This record gives sequence, structure tokens and C-alpha cells, in this order.
Amino acid sequence: AQKVTQAQTEISVVEKEDVTLDCVYETRDTTYYLFWYKQPPSGELVFLIRRNSFDEQNEISGRYSWNFQKSTSSFNFTITASQVVDSAVYFCALRDMNRDDKIIFGKGTRLHILP
Amino acid sequence: SAVISQKPSRDICQRGTSLTIQCQVDSQVTMMFWYRQQPGQSLTLIATANQGSEATYESGFVIDKFPISRPNLTFSTLTVSNMSPEDSSIYLCSVLGGQGAGEQYFGPGTRLTVT
Repeated sequence: AQKVTQAQTEISVVEKEDVTLDCVYETRDTTYYLFWYKQPPSGELVFLIRRNSFDEQNEISGRYSWNFQKSTSSFNFTITASQVVDSAVYFCALRDMNRDDKIIFGKGTRLHILP
Repeated sequence: SAVISQKPSRDICQRGTSLTIQCQVDSQVTMMFWYRQQPGQSLTLIATANQGSEATYESGFVIDKFPISRPNLTFSTLTVSNMSPEDSSIYLCSVLGGQGAGEQYFGPGTRLTVT
């Protein structure tokens, strides 16, 4: 069975601090995709990144970086020099690469960036 | 990336009534997904809608309550029938990205409040 665990329900940091959002996943599949989505207060779900199980390279995009480690089944997300606009709920998600069907979401981490 | 629009963006409905939510995509897609996000919760898949066949419902969701239409490759509707306050949620449609790309995109959501 597939499962995504985001143990941090809610995090608050002061602006300009770095923050890491944890994501641990479970799957029996050898090929899969991992995702991060951002949901700001407006409610829209914004796609941030997709990683496939073949590619363990870490990725950096501006202030965002992702650390994918298959050995620990983790796909953590770090925001560097956080800004108030980063305040949102962040979801980690998993989907089997061989079946174009449902994506499994974690429960989300609500991130508050305090000015 | 796919551009997805939903109508209505929000609605307030009385219990016992029904609401049909429309989802329009700017490109042809084989599979469309409908999700529900209850207040403060993660996303839960309601059903997968393929053009030309019956929708496939997840456990806990039934066609009588959430009938879905998929008349062509760019459009789908989800109806929330005989609504109760427990149906108050954000309803999102979603599609997969380009062939083999793996991305999954979401519409802006329909925020439903049932009184």
C-alpha cells in the first residue's frame, strides 16, 4: 500500500529563517513519482516539483531545494530565507509511475512565516 | 502545463439541493480526476473520469451521490447530490501533464458551503 507521511502538522518560523518540511513515503513499487504542492490561502494547488524514483539528485530552484533519499524513503523540502509569501499549506504526494491514476497526498504541513 | 478552469469558483447551497461543478481543460486529456478537500484536511480522490466510459469511484464515494459526466476529452462535470453540511468542501479537478511527463495539475477548485 502507498502512504505519505508529513509528521509536521504546523510550523512557524520568523521571516528570513530557513525551514525544512519533512516527507516520508511508503510504496512497494520500484518506479514512482514524488511531488510537492503549495496551497496558499486562496486555495489553489500550485505544482512545485516532480521527482521520479530513478533520479536521486537533489534539486534547487531559487530559494527552494529538495532532498530525495531513497534509502530513507524521504523527500524533504527546504525553503531558504523564508518570506511571508511562503505562508501556505504544503503537500507531499506519491504516484506509481506505471499506473497513470491516483496520486496519494500527505496530510500537509501548514507553514506560517512571521514578519 | 495544462490550464484548468472550474465553475463555479464558490457557492453556498441549501441542504437537499444539488450542485454541478464544471471542469474545462485547455488540451485533450484521457483521464480527469475529481478530488475533495474538506476544511483543514488533505485531498481525497473521489473518482477518475475517462472519456467514453463510466467513472471509477474510490471507496466511500458512490455514483448516486457524485455523478460524473465526461462528454469529451476537455470537459467533465461533477454533481454533488442531495447535499448536507458534511459536503462543505473544496472540490478540485485534476489532469495529468504531457505524455510521460508525470506532472499532475489541479484546477482552482470550487469552494462549496452547504447550509
